[in-house]
Amino acid sequence: NAGVTQTPKFQVLKTGQSMTLQCAQDMNHNSMYWYRQDPGMGLRLIYYSASEGTTDKGEVPNGYNVSRLNKREFSLRLESAAPSQTSVYFCASSEADRETQYFGPGTRLLVL
Amino acid sequence: SQQGEEDPQALSIQEGENATMNCSYKTSINNLQWYRQNSGRGLVHLILIRSNEREKHSGRLRVTLDTSKKSSSLLITASRAADTASYFCATDHTGRRALTFGSGTRLQVQP
Repeated sequence: NAGVTQTPKFQVLKTGQSMTLQCAQDMNHNSMYWYRQDPGMGLRLIYYSASEGTTDKGEVPNGYNVSRLNKREFSLRLESAAPSQTSVYFCASSEADRETQYFGPGTRLLVL
Repeated sequence: SQQGEEDPQALSIQEGENATMNCSYKTSINNLQWYRQNSGRGLVHLILIRSNEREKHSGRLRVTLDTSKKSSSLLITASRAADTASYFCATDHTGRRALTFGSGTRLQVQP
């Protein structure tokens, strides 16, 4: 089992460009999450999906959209990247809401 | 904010010593979890303690929970250089559908 995979590992964007971060899990989990982590800080929840077909805003959703494509995949889209979105993005999944989460390796995004 | 707060922010100890880090939160919880993050990597779950439990052990880890004080502690005994990492608590609050992560304790274990 690969667990939670994320692509790409690293990306550089110019202000105003768009991109989609991909996340997939092979543990048959119901819930999936997107977080951002800024230097020296904890994780802040961007969006989550409690089950296939549902998505909800987290703490910092502005500037992002998500798609729960199927049970395995949960993508995060930046429509018009801004320097404030420079961060490390982590995807996670769990069997159910609020239970143990399993994290991907992260995507490092730099917006110039 | 309901975010958990870890204390201390940073901790440096010698190999073989014990490391204790604390987490405080503001509103009632259903469970509290501890995670470890090695530099540049994703978080890894260590242990979950439910609100009706007071203490849990897992190998060299001991977690306590005091719901009256709204605090938890993580003790790592006989630390090793490989324990060098950031440690985060995550709280499951009633009425919220996702965990809330604290800002972490950076542990440095000197060989």
